[in-house]
Amino acid sequence: TAGITQAPTSQILAAGRSMTLRCTQDMRHNAMYWYRQDLGLGLRLIHYSNTAGTTGKGEVPDGYSVSRANTDDFPLTLASAVPSQTSVYFCASSDGTGSEGNEQFFGPGTRLTVL
Amino acid sequence: GQNIDQPTEMTATEGAIVQINCTYQTSGFNGLFWYQQHAGEAPTFLSYNVLDGLEEKGRFSSFLSRSKGYSYLLLKELQMKDSASYLCAVMDSNYQLIWGAGTKLIIKP
Repeated sequence: TAGITQAPTSQILAAGRSMTLRCTQDMRHNAMYWYRQDLGLGLRLIHYSNTAGTTGKGEVPDGYSVSRANTDDFPLTLASAVPSQTSVYFCASSDGTGSEGNEQFFGPGTRLTVL
Repeated sequence: GQNIDQPTEMTATEGAIVQINCTYQTSGFNGLFWYQQHAGEAPTFLSYNVLDGLEEKGRFSSFLSRSKGYSYLLLKELQMKDSASYLCAVMDSNYQLIWGAGTKLIIKP
């Protein structure tokens, strides 16, 4: 079982360009999440989805958008990248709708550098 | 505001015991999680506490006091592979995880 996969592993992007970070899980989890992790800061939630067809904003949603067309995929799009979006991005999923204290499973991360 | 505090870095000796503390102030409480994250890797789940008291799982134990807004992770019989960052996270009233910045644990032989 692959669990959660993310692509690409790393990317260097010119400021102003758009990019989609891909995330796919094969555990049939309802809830999925996108976080960014920056040095000296905790993981910060960008967007989440409690079930296919629904999405919600996290702590730092500005400059990012998501969609959840099906259970397995949860892509994150940067419409016009800025240097402050340089970070490591983690996708995660959990069973249920996120309200039962179920653990979150994380993908391997995407390291994004915006120049 | 919501806040999770944990020490930035700790050092311990192989074979010893170390306690990593976490204090929190959040809007609501629906449980506290501990995750382990090795450098360059994804976080992995260690423990979950929602009621006061101690949860033991092998060499790792986690304690919670909701009235004090306090938790600790206890690691026994330290091994070199335990060198990692340990992340404390609280599930708030919206069932979202609020994360601490993590404690980097350095194990010395």
